Amino acid sequence: DAGVTQTPRHEVAEKGQTIILKCEPVSGHNDLFWYRQTKIQGLELLSYFRSKSLMEDGGAFKDRFKAEMLNSSFSTLKIQPTEPKDSAVYLCASSPDWGDTQYFGPGTRLLVL
Amino acid sequence: GDQVEQSPSALSLHEGTGSALRCNFTTTMRAVQWFRKNSRGSLINLFYLASGTKENGRLKSAFDSKERYSTLHIRDAQLEDSGTYFCAALNQGGSAKLIFGEGTKLTVSS
Repeated sequence: DAGVTQTPRHEVAEKGQTIILKCEPVSGHNDLFWYRQTKIQGLELLSYFRSKSLMEDGGAFKDRFKAEMLNSSFSTLKIQPTEPKDSAVYLCASSPDWGDTQYFGPGTRLLVL
Repeated sequence: GDQVEQSPSALSLHEGTGSALRCNFTTTMRAVQWFRKNSRGSLINLFYLASGTKENGRLKSAFDSKERYSTLHIRDAQLEDSGTYFCAALNQGGSAKLIFGEGTKLTVSS
């Protein structure tokens, strides 16, 4: 029974690069979330999809962050261009339906130099 | 905005003892979820409650939406229980975003 998978687990990027993070939700889940976790800000919502439709885009993260969900079993989060302040752990979570338990992936640790 | 206040921020227990973590909410929440962050940094689901109590092994959680709090009780603590515990709540609005507490770092020693 596969949980949420995320790749890569670690990423190092130079300032100005484009990076793409990937997430595979639990099979059959309708909702998918992207969060960013830092020590200062805690967990912040970046994007929320329901049945592949973007429901929330995290407001402040619009300009350089773009999440997509082209099919129900795969999502990407693109950061373009990266900045050092983007260094954080990026978490993907999925949920069977609105308001249900969210299951988190292991995260991608991003370091931008 | 909606906030989740989690306490204590750190807790030390000897093996075999127990204690409780608590989250207070500044507004009425629809549900609460408890997680443990393991040594690899992954968030492990412990409980999801829309009301009442749930128990799983040595862990028990309660959620009172009206009184705006949730608790997580740990009994007979073991070394492997060490980690950071988070509560996260869903507000009553239409958003499915979890609002996280700041976490409780639990250290269990022998």
